[in-house]
Amino acid sequence: AQSVTQPDARVTVSEGASLQLRCKYSYFGTPYLFWYVQYPRQGLQLLLKYYPGDPVVQGVNGFEAEFSKSNSSFHLRKASVHWSDWAVYFCAVSSSNTNKVVFGTGTRLQVLP
Amino acid sequence: EAAVTQSPRNKVAVTGGKVTLSCNQTNNHNNMYWYRQDTGHGLRLIHYSYGAGSTEKGDIPDGYKASRPSQENFSLILELATPSQTSVYFCASGAPGPPLYFGAGTRLSVL
Repeated sequence: AQSVTQPDARVTVSEGASLQLRCKYSYFGTPYLFWYVQYPRQGLQLLLKYYPGDPVVQGVNGFEAEFSKSNSSFHLRKASVHWSDWAVYFCAVSSSNTNKVVFGTGTRLQVLP
Repeated sequence: EAAVTQSPRNKVAVTGGKVTLSCNQTNNHNNMYWYRQDTGHGLRLIHYSYGAGSTEKGDIPDGYKASRPSQENFSLILELATPSQTSVYFCASGAPGPPLYFGAGTRLSVL
C-alpha cells in the first residue's frame, strides 16, 4: 500500500537560514508527489507537484523539491526561510489514475527571528 | 484556482446528535473528498465521490455517511455523533486525479 513518512514532526530554523523538510514515500509504480502547506486555521494549499520528468521541481515562494527514486524520497528545500513560512507542511503521494491521495503526518515549521 | 467552501466553520454538537457538514465547489470538478485531521495522524480519508450520486468509502468510514446530490455539493453526515469524532474536517475537490484543492475546514467539537 502507498504511504508517506515525514520523520520530523517539528523543525525550527532561524530566519534567513536554509531549510530541508524530509519526506519518504512507499509506492508501487510511478508516483506523483506533492507538498502542501497549511497556515494557521486555513486549509491546505498546494506548494508544488512532481509528475514524472525533471526530478527537481520548483514551487511558489522559493520552495523546491527533489524526487529520488533510489532513495524513495521527495525532500522540500528553501534557500532562505522567511518568518511567513511558519506553517505545517504535508507531503502526499498519488498516481495519475487513482482518486486517492495519501498524506504524511505533517512537519510543523517554526521560524525564529 | 478551485474554490471550495465549507460550512459551518465551527460546530459544537452533543453526543448522539446528528451533524451535517456541507461542502460546495465551483470549479466543476468530478471528484470530491472528506478528510479529518488529527494531531499525529495527518489527514485521513473518510469518504469520496466520483460525481453526482456516487459515494465511496475511504480509509476510516465508520460512523460517517456521505451524500453527493449534485456536482457542486458534497455532505458529510454523522448520524450519531461521538466525542471521538471531535476533529477538524476538510473537504477537497479534484479534476479527477491530483492535485486536490481544499476548503478552509470545519472545526467540530462533540461534547
